[in-house]
Amino acid sequence: AQTVTQSQPEMSVQEAETVTLSCTYDTSESDYYLFWYKQPPSRQMILVIRQEAYKQQNATENRFSVNFQKAAKSFSLKISDSQLGDAAMYFCAYLPQGGSEKLVFGKGMKLTVNP
Amino acid sequence: GAGVSQSPSNKVTEKGKDVELRCDPISGHTALYWYRQSLGQGLEFLIYFQGNSAPDKSGLPSDRFSAERTGGSVSTLTIQRTQQEDSAVYLCASSSQGGLNQPQHFGDGTRLSIL
Repeated sequence: AQTVTQSQPEMSVQEAETVTLSCTYDTSESDYYLFWYKQPPSRQMILVIRQEAYKQQNATENRFSVNFQKAAKSFSLKISDSQLGDAAMYFCAYLPQGGSEKLVFGKGMKLTVNP
Repeated sequence: GAGVSQSPSNKVTEKGKDVELRCDPISGHTALYWYRQSLGQGLEFLIYFQGNSAPDKSGLPSDRFSAERTGGSVSTLTIQRTQQEDSAVYLCASSSQGGLNQPQHFGDGTRLSIL
């Protein structure tokens, strides 16, 4: 079974600084998607960024970028120029290929942004 | 509406009662997902619908849990004879077709508290 591990339950960063959130996963599949979701106190899960496993190029979305290391099964999220609104729970998630539609989530990491 | 709508937002009920949670997906989205988020945990997949059929019910924790979807739109998650361990946030998501290329959009969830 696929698993997703976020080893750091909490992190903090100063406003305008850069922070990297780590995620590792375990799978025997060769093709899949990886995601980072943000969950503010409103509870809604907001898609931050996604990466196709077959693409070597790391995905970027404005201040958000990933470092995808397929061989190491690592998928870290870098947030540049951190803003107060970035404070939230961040979840790494895996979506396997092959008919299963269920996202497999890590346990999440709480990010605090200090002014 | 523009997003996934869930109701009620919060539900408090006594142990042993039945509860119904409702999800109204984004208009036109054929795929619908239910997840459960227990305190301090990531999201746990419950069930996935494609149209009105549920190809994957593997995440339902017990036979007290059931879900249906009618008209390819609204879905109801029913928990019978609730137990305290059922207390969690129940999140619904939808996507336009399902599959790797279609991101899942989440609602705000229903916080269920069993007394």
